[in-house]
Amino acid sequence: DTGVSQDPRHKITKRGQNVTFRCDPISEHNRLYWYRQTLGQGPEFLTYFQNEAQLEKSRLLSDRFSAERPKGSFSTLEIQRTEQGDSAMYLCASSPVPGTGYTFGSGTRLTVV
Amino acid sequence: KQEVTQIPAALSVPEGENLVLNCSFTDSAIYNLQWFRQDPGKGLTSLLLIQSSQREQTSGRLNASLDKSSGRSTLYIAASQPGDSATYLCAGGAMAGKSTFGDGTTLTVKP
Repeated sequence: DTGVSQDPRHKITKRGQNVTFRCDPISEHNRLYWYRQTLGQGPEFLTYFQNEAQLEKSRLLSDRFSAERPKGSFSTLEIQRTEQGDSAMYLCASSPVPGTGYTFGSGTRLTVV
Repeated sequence: KQEVTQIPAALSVPEGENLVLNCSFTDSAIYNLQWFRQDPGKGLTSLLLIQSSQREQTSGRLNASLDKSSGRSTLYIAASQPGDSATYLCAGGAMAGKSTFGDGTTLTVKP
């Protein structure tokens, strides 16, 4: 078990382009979470999955954001028509069951220029 | 809505000192409280998890406590070392699994 993996580690994109990030959770973990963190702030909740079902989506997530977890394994987070305000670290975490604490990946640093 | 506050935002101590980091939360119906360490530009590393039924957890030089009635958690670091320099974040977990994070305390331990 290699922990939670996120790809890519860094992404630089031009404003208006679409980007997609991938997260591979710990294999036996049913819960998968996405958070966003800007400099000097704590992570903010975006969305989470129980297996393949997306159970909650933050109001922070505009309709330009979409997340999927097909077959309850890896997850993707897509941002369409990126804006400079989307520049942040996107963090993925997983847990075996609710309330057992998170294991985080190393994050994807997005820079929109 | 759960709100989590960490004060101070930054702390500098000499090597060898014992120190306490503070975390306050507004909703006492917290399910768990998790402390993390974050190095610059990196992800979060879990340090300690306290379930709502517990009062404290210990790992090596770290001890975390939870007082739901007062809405407070503390992280105690004994005999601090320069390698402990990092940002420490606390997160209050809800039963459904979603967590609310504080903005962290950035610790600098000077040799």
